[in-house]
Amino acid sequence: KNQVEQSPQSLIILEGKNCTLQCNYTVSPFSNLRWYKQDTGRGPVSLTIMTFSENTKSNRRYTATLDADTKQSSLHITASQLSDSASYICVVSYPSGGSYIPTFGRGTSLIVHP
Amino acid sequence: KAGVTQTPRYLIKTRGQQVTLSCSPISGHRSVSWYQQTPGQGLQFLFEYFSETQRNKGNFPGRFSGRQFSNSRSEMNVSTLELGDSALYLCASSFAGVDEQYFGPGTRLTVT
Repeated sequence: KNQVEQSPQSLIILEGKNCTLQCNYTVSPFSNLRWYKQDTGRGPVSLTIMTFSENTKSNRRYTATLDADTKQSSLHITASQLSDSASYICVVSYPSGGSYIPTFGRGTSLIVHP
Repeated sequence: KAGVTQTPRYLIKTRGQQVTLSCSPISGHRSVSWYQQTPGQGLQFLFEYFSETQRNKGNFPGRFSGRQFSNSRSEMNVSTLELGDSALYLCASSFAGVDEQYFGPGTRLTVT
C-alpha cells in the first residue's frame, strides 16, 4: 500500500532557529516528491518539486533533500520567521494515465514563537 | 494573473442532498485536480481532469463525480450527501498536470 509518513507531527521552535522535517514513503513506482506549505484556512502552496534524479532543491530559506534509495526526504527551514508557522505537507506521486496520482502525508504542524 | 478561484467558499447542506462545487483554473492551465481535506484523513486525491477528460481518479465512491468544460473550468458533484462528506474541498490547476500545481482557497462544505 502506498503510504507517506511525516515526522514530527508537530514542532515548536523559536524565531531565527533552523528546523528539519522528515518524510518517509513507500510509494512505488516513484514519479515526484513535493513539499507544500499550508497556512490555516488556505490552500497549499508549493515549495519544492523533486524527481527521481534530483537529491536537493532549494527555494529561498527552504531546502528539500531526497534519497530515493532509502525513500526518505527532508525539508530544512533556515532562520525561521513567524510567517513560517503553518502545516508542511509531503506529497509523493506515482505515474498514471499520462499524469500522476499523489499520496499525501498528514503534515507537520510548525509553530514559530518570537 | 488571477489565481485559482473556487465558488462558493462556504456551503451548508443537509444529509441526502447533493452539491455542486466550481473551480476556475489559472488562465492557460488545462489540468484541474480536486482534493478532499478532513482533520481525520488529511488531504486525499479525488480526480484529475485534462482537456475535458478524466485522466485519473482516487479512491472515492461513485457519489463523487466531476467534469471539465472546454474553457478548462471544472465542477465536482457530490450526491446523497453524508455527514462524513463535511470537508474542505480544494481544487488545483496546472498547465499539463505534471508540473507545478496552484491551489485555490477551497470550499468549506458542512453537512448537517
